Amino acid sequence: AQRVTQPEKLLSVFKGAPVELKCNYSYSGSPELFWYVQYSRQRLQLLLRHISRESIKGFTADLNKGETSFHLKKPFAQEEDSAMYYCAFRRGAQKLVFGQGTRLTINP
Amino acid sequence: NAGVTQTPKFQVLKTGQSMTLQCAQDMNHNSMYWYRQDPGMGLRLIYYSASEGTTDKGEVPNGYNVSRLNKREFSLRLESAAPSQTSVYFCASTDNQPQHFGDGTRLSIL
Repeated sequence: AQRVTQPEKLLSVFKGAPVELKCNYSYSGSPELFWYVQYSRQRLQLLLRHISRESIKGFTADLNKGETSFHLKKPFAQEEDSAMYYCAFRRGAQKLVFGQGTRLTINP
Repeated sequence: NAGVTQTPKFQVLKTGQSMTLQCAQDMNHNSMYWYRQDPGMGLRLIYYSASEGTTDKGEVPNGYNVSRLNKREFSLRLESAAPSQTSVYFCASTDNQPQHFGDGTRLSIL
């Protein structure tokens, strides 16, 4: 089955510490992967996509086909990074399959 | 620029009541989606519409119907609400990724 797994429902780190949100996928083809973020009282929005290979708000994510992973990383967490994060992959022309989500809390 | 607009923002229903959730987008997108968000389950696709005039089932379509009224509007209907449909519902649209989301509708079924 094609699915995305985020093993951590909750993740709490201290400000300034590195953060890694895990995402593993199960897909037989070449996946197109995304990270979406939902800050408190804001809409769900795209954070980054693997084909862009860019860093957004200090976050990066590398597609590892050998490990079928697309972990989201930031070297120094900030309090404003506290949010709900969803990993997703593109299925078919326009459909996305989302993971269960990880709620990240950055402690001061 | 409103993007994706959902109404209402909150609603409480009794079991068995019917309700339509409205969604409109002003970005001229072809594709529109309805998701539900539940703790520990992530976002699950209920129905989607790849283009005006077409609709298809997603992962969890049972108990729901949709109408793609025109290119702008995509409504979700609960014919006979059940407590299991208590959730936050999100509408989204896109032409190509990424998808643009609305603010959500928080629906409680008593």
